[in-house]
Amino acid sequence: DVVMTQSPLSLPVTLGQPASISCRSSQSLADSDGTTYLNWFQQRPGQSPRRLIYKVSIRDSGVPDRFSGSGSGSDFTLKISRVEAEDVGLYYCMQGTHWPATFGQGTKVEIK
Amino acid sequence: QIQVQESGPGLVKPSETLSLTCTVSGASISSDYWTWIRQSPGKGLEWIGYINDRGSINSNPSLKSRLTISVDTSKRQLSLKLTSVTAADTAVYYCAKGRTAPVYWGQGTLVTVSS
Repeated sequence: DVVMTQSPLSLPVTLGQPASISCRSSQSLADSDGTTYLNWFQQRPGQSPRRLIYKVSIRDSGVPDRFSGSGSGSDFTLKISRVEAEDVGLYYCMQGTHWPATFGQGTKVEIK
Repeated sequence: QIQVQESGPGLVKPSETLSLTCTVSGASISSDYWTWIRQSPGKGLEWIGYINDRGSINSNPSLKSRLTISVDTSKRQLSLKLTSVTAADTAVYYCAKGRTAPVYWGQGTLVTVSS
């Protein structure tokens, strides 16, 4: 299985400051058609995961533009330009290129 | 608006079969991939398997021998059956739409395996 490694696992952030989460895969996530199926999910306390970004950088409808995704191959990043209180929770990267799909361990974002 | 809701018994005895249902509203259950995912404290998020619009199933190799996924289009329901459960199968089980980038997750249903 493709191993997804996130860092850091814990991310204390000051309100209004930027935050960045790294996700690395054990092999390239570029599919044979050139598409990279790398997604980011947010899980607020007590809620189910919510997809924020798919195919590396496409934001889902309703996701604030302070969230952005980037990367290629096996190295990806989720950035929050200015953290707000509602951003507290767990963030997961997930690859859908190789079967079975796999998730990162999760990064806990909290307010300092 | 697409809504997804998982349901099933919260407690299953070891060695027995876990059976869950996922009810979908606001979308055609026969026109896309539908996925089961579980989340446990020990293993994090784990992909279980999916069924596509042609009824083809792909299961995580780690669960394949114990897993059955099916769909009842008339009821707009997916079902999951996992046999010979152990404590390691204790988790919150989710149903979601899509295969490569699941969206529209249900709220999940907690299943505890214990005697």
